[in-house]
Amino acid sequence: DVKVTQSSRYLVKRTGEKVFLECVQDMDHENMFWYRQDPGLGLRLIYFSYDVKMKEKGDIPEGYSVSREKKERFSLILESASTNQTSMYLCASSFLIPSGGFGSTDTQYFGPGTRLTVL
Amino acid sequence: AQSVTQLDSQVPVFEEAPVELRCNYSSSVSVYLFWYVQYPNQGLQLLLKYLSGSTLVKGINGFEAEFNKSQTSFHLRKPSVHISDTAEYFCAVSVSEKLVFGKGTKLTVNP
Repeated sequence: DVKVTQSSRYLVKRTGEKVFLECVQDMDHENMFWYRQDPGLGLRLIYFSYDVKMKEKGDIPEGYSVSREKKERFSLILESASTNQTSMYLCASSFLIPSGGFGSTDTQYFGPGTRLTVL
Repeated sequence: AQSVTQLDSQVPVFEEAPVELRCNYSSSVSVYLFWYVQYPNQGLQLLLKYLSGSTLVKGINGFEAEFNKSQTSFHLRKPSVHISDTAEYFCAVSVSEKLVFGKGTKLTVNP
């Protein structure tokens, strides 16, 4: 079974703190993703990575950065946490389906999520 | 830009009744389509996916979906729901390396 783990299920931080969220997958997937999930807004992509040291901005990258030093690990960094970053954060990983160009993402496997509260 | 519309934000049904959760997508190219389920306080879990081949796709927990290219739809169905099917359901379309998700449909199964 594919396993995607996230470093914390619940996290409480103060405004201005630097926050690290870590994600590890054990299936040798090329792609890894960070989403945030808010009621009524669904899942919104923050950043994704298609290879080690490679990253691409998603739909809402402002206020976030990422790091992928090893294939199995993808970290999300909030440089200076703010209250509007209180949310559920979900990590996912996937293979690519070769289909011309970069290819298309196959099934994404999700971690259990980290509920972050910024006070 | 490709997008996914889930037509109902909430669907209440009684136990053992049939259910259909509707999903429409916009795309000008070949698509790969997915349905995910999220139980409370958990991550998303794949229910089923359409990559190619038969337009009727069967998934886990008795769910199935039909890909309709002419109507750009991928509706999810189950003939008889259980209390344990209460969850939020997300439709998604593959766009290059990414998935574009709908906003979700909350299915509530009442006894």
